[in-house]
Amino acid sequence: AQSVAQPEDQVNVAEGNPLTVKCTYSVSGNPYLFWYVQYPNRGLQFLLKYITGDNLVKGSYGFEAEFNKSQTSFHLKKPSALVSDSALYFCAVSPAQRAGSYQLTFGKGTKLSVIP
Amino acid sequence: DAGVTQSPTHLIKTRGQHVTLRCSPISGHKSVSWYQQVLGQGPQFIFQYYEKEERGRGNFPDRFSARQFPNYSSELNVNALLLGDSALYLCASSLLGQNSPLHFGNGTRLTVT
Repeated sequence: AQSVAQPEDQVNVAEGNPLTVKCTYSVSGNPYLFWYVQYPNRGLQFLLKYITGDNLVKGSYGFEAEFNKSQTSFHLKKPSALVSDSALYFCAVSPAQRAGSYQLTFGKGTKLSVIP
Repeated sequence: DAGVTQSPTHLIKTRGQHVTLRCSPISGHKSVSWYQQVLGQGPQFIFQYYEKEERGRGNFPDRFSARQFPNYSSELNVNALLLGDSALYLCASSLLGQNSPLHFGNGTRLTVT
């Protein structure tokens, strides 16, 4: 069975500073990794994904994530945080499955607060 | 293009009752998944349907069931509601292929009293 750990319940960062939201995973075989963001009373919005290839993945709104196979990590990063980045961030993993089958396992989420 | 739409947005039910939640996927998306998000937790997988067939089921009791219609819309049914079923129920659609991201609706907030 696959699992995701987001070790920080909350991350606080000053506006303009770089931010990192941590994620580690456990899955059999090659992982498919995702980051989603959730604003209050809304569904989840896709930010970026790692399937294969370059370990540094670029996504929406200036976010990027670094895949590290040896450390089984997929940390989310942004060079300069904005107040509007304040939200709940979820890391998710999916193992390679049979065609047409798709099941994500999510972490418990990390609340990001960007302080003006 | 319209995103994933879910109805109703909010629902209050009493223990023991039955509930039906509805989801319309993005046009062209044939895969629909359902997730339960309890307050303070990440979403938990309930079901995935593709081309009207169940392709995956999470660790939920048989009180939970779902189906997908020929137009790819979907319903999630929960019988004999318990207080612990109170949660945000999220529907997501995607294209064929595991590396296609899920597109989520805004969810249905179910409160069981």
